[in-house]
Amino acid sequence: DAKTTQPPSMDCAEGRAANLPCNHSTISGNEYVYWYRQIHSQGPQYIIHGLKNNETNEMASLIITEDRKSSTLILPHATLRDTAVYYCIVRDPWGSSNTGKLIFGQGTTLQVKP
Amino acid sequence: NAGVTQTPKFQVLKTGQSMTLQCAQDMNHEYMSWYRQDPGMGLRLIHYSVGAGITDQGEVPNGYNVSRSTTEDFPLRLLSAAPSQTSVYFCASSNRGRGENTEAFFGQGTRLTVV
Repeated sequence: DAKTTQPPSMDCAEGRAANLPCNHSTISGNEYVYWYRQIHSQGPQYIIHGLKNNETNEMASLIITEDRKSSTLILPHATLRDTAVYYCIVRDPWGSSNTGKLIFGQGTTLQVKP
Repeated sequence: NAGVTQTPKFQVLKTGQSMTLQCAQDMNHEYMSWYRQDPGMGLRLIHYSVGAGITDQGEVPNGYNVSRSTTEDFPLRLLSAAPSQTSVYFCASSNRGRGENTEAFFGQGTRLTVV
């Protein structure tokens, strides 16, 4: 399983963009990068995922470097409700000997401040 | 569309008791999994299943059993509860495959205390 490294905590001012980095230097060519967040003690919530192209949806943008060894999750206009733990996960690929399992790390605690 | 439903939401057990945590999904997902989350920690994978009749161990399987007789249900059994199993348990499901529509959906958790 490819490992990820994230800063333990970050602050962001409300209304500003929050840029959350993730290092996944051992990622293999068929592994996707997924981002989830967990607010308080709720179940994790899916945000976005990608393989090698940049992705954008209604919640966030995902920028993956060309060598795929790192990525950045961007919340364009952070609000107080975006305060959460954000997890970057490299998902085990599907295949005959792979199972697609999701292994969580410690994540980044994002604190959005007024 | 209910998504992933976990029952019960809260449970207190005595040491040595057994119980089953229920997880059901109505999205016809092949992949289901169980996690535990201890205070201040990330989620750790207990067991997972890639389809009916197929299960495998995750990172912390000891003390837990699972079975997958249907696509919809994936119960987690605690064989003999111990205080170290006090935790919040999350069930998740997703489609298999690559790319689109493979995001995992999580239940709201079962908060288990073993005394």
